[in-house]
Amino acid sequence: DAGVTQSPTHLIKTRGQQVTLRCSPKSGHDTVSWYQQALGQGPQFIFQYYEEEERQRGNFPDRFSGHQFPNYSSELNVNALLLGDSALYLCASSLWLAGETQYFGPGTRLLVL
Amino acid sequence: AQSVTQPDIHITVSEGASLELRCNYSYGATPYLFWYVQSPGQGLQLLLKYFSGDTLVQGIKGFEAEFKRSQSSFNLRKPSVHWSDAAEYFCAVGPYGGATNKLIFGTGTLLAVQP
Repeated sequence: DAGVTQSPTHLIKTRGQQVTLRCSPKSGHDTVSWYQQALGQGPQFIFQYYEEEERQRGNFPDRFSGHQFPNYSSELNVNALLLGDSALYLCASSLWLAGETQYFGPGTRLLVL
Repeated sequence: AQSVTQPDIHITVSEGASLELRCNYSYGATPYLFWYVQSPGQGLQLLLKYFSGDTLVQGIKGFEAEFKRSQSSFNLRKPSVHWSDAAEYFCAVGPYGGATNKLIFGTGTLLAVQP
């Protein structure tokens, strides 16, 4: 049983560009959450998707957007990249219930030059 | 405001010694509590979680944690550390009840193990 998978593993972009990161949840999970982890910090919640809708959002600007597909996979899009967007982006999947364990993927390392 | 504090940024212990990593939280009600471990360049692996009931929780790899409501703490312990335990450890809280499970993480504690 495959766990949470993310692609690509690494990405280099320049300021002002746009990027799309992808996530496939663990089999049987219907909820996908995205987190940003800056160097030396804990993960920060970006948003969460369930039934193809954004259900909750953290303190991130509108440049960060997402999508969930009918097969529960998800994309994270970031527009107008800033140097400060350089981070490890983690996807987590779970069932849609409070307290359900979130299983994390290996992350996508984004470097903005 | 909801928050998690891990007071120790970096801890070094000798292999075979005991370990305790501290975690304090600020939350409006009793939360769900988690400990995750992250090896270099990797995602997060769940060590253990507390929802309710027995305040001493057993996890994987010989770890345990104790929930103390009066101190708003959820410290992680291991009686004998192995070199493979060197990693970064994150404490996290989530909402109790409701239909969302957004996690709030601490800033992490980096564990080094001396031979």
